[in-house]
Amino acid sequence: GESVGLHLPTLSVQEGDNSIINCAYSNSASDYFIWYKQESGKGPQFIIDIRSNMDKRQGQRVTVLLNKTVKHLSLQIAATQPGDSAVYFCAENTSGGYQKVTFGIGTKLQVIP
Amino acid sequence: DAGITQSPRHKVTETGTPVTLRCHQTENHRYMYWYRQDPGHGLRLIHYSYGVKDTDKGEVSDGYSVSRSKTEDFLLTLESATSSQTSVYFCAISVGGDRGGYNSPLHFGNGTRLTVT
Repeated sequence: GESVGLHLPTLSVQEGDNSIINCAYSNSASDYFIWYKQESGKGPQFIIDIRSNMDKRQGQRVTVLLNKTVKHLSLQIAATQPGDSAVYFCAENTSGGYQKVTFGIGTKLQVIP
Repeated sequence: DAGITQSPRHKVTETGTPVTLRCHQTENHRYMYWYRQDPGHGLRLIHYSYGVKDTDKGEVSDGYSVSRSKTEDFLLTLESATSSQTSVYFCAISVGGDRGGYNSPLHFGNGTRLTVT
């Protein structure tokens, strides 16, 4: 989930298990949501997105769930692998003259071999 | 990295000196962005560009200026660096075309780590 502190929340998962990373977004007018993965020393990398007219979208080993009622987003990673270890953060978009994107702080996923 | 190159990757500079960071893209995208990433904060938009010579401010633009004289290059300048500008800077592009990248993900470079002493 999100944190306002300097230390990222950490999720430790055994290799092969499923991971669930949560995100609470702030703007009820947001209508496009993205999950990014960031490995140490690298830029954020797009994983999966979802529009507000959907409540679930699946990719390869990842699923994003959107609950607009409670402004909650989750990322599910199936059969977590060591290469999934990274910081994951969500982003919410609201329409505007430019890309108005608000990024979350992130959750660190540690995969235990 | 979607054809995005940032330079330098690391920079140490002294307070009061000007610093320019460069972002180069090879895919001819119209929209380019500069973000900074700091502990305890999500990525925050500094400036963005919607075409050659067309730029605008983001939420944390004070102390920064940008220029885009060619489609492929977007420069970020710290006019007089301060310690509060110590950060990791990311350039990004969006592929959303004329709608400003709305409803499309951003593609990021690998960042420039800037330390102001």
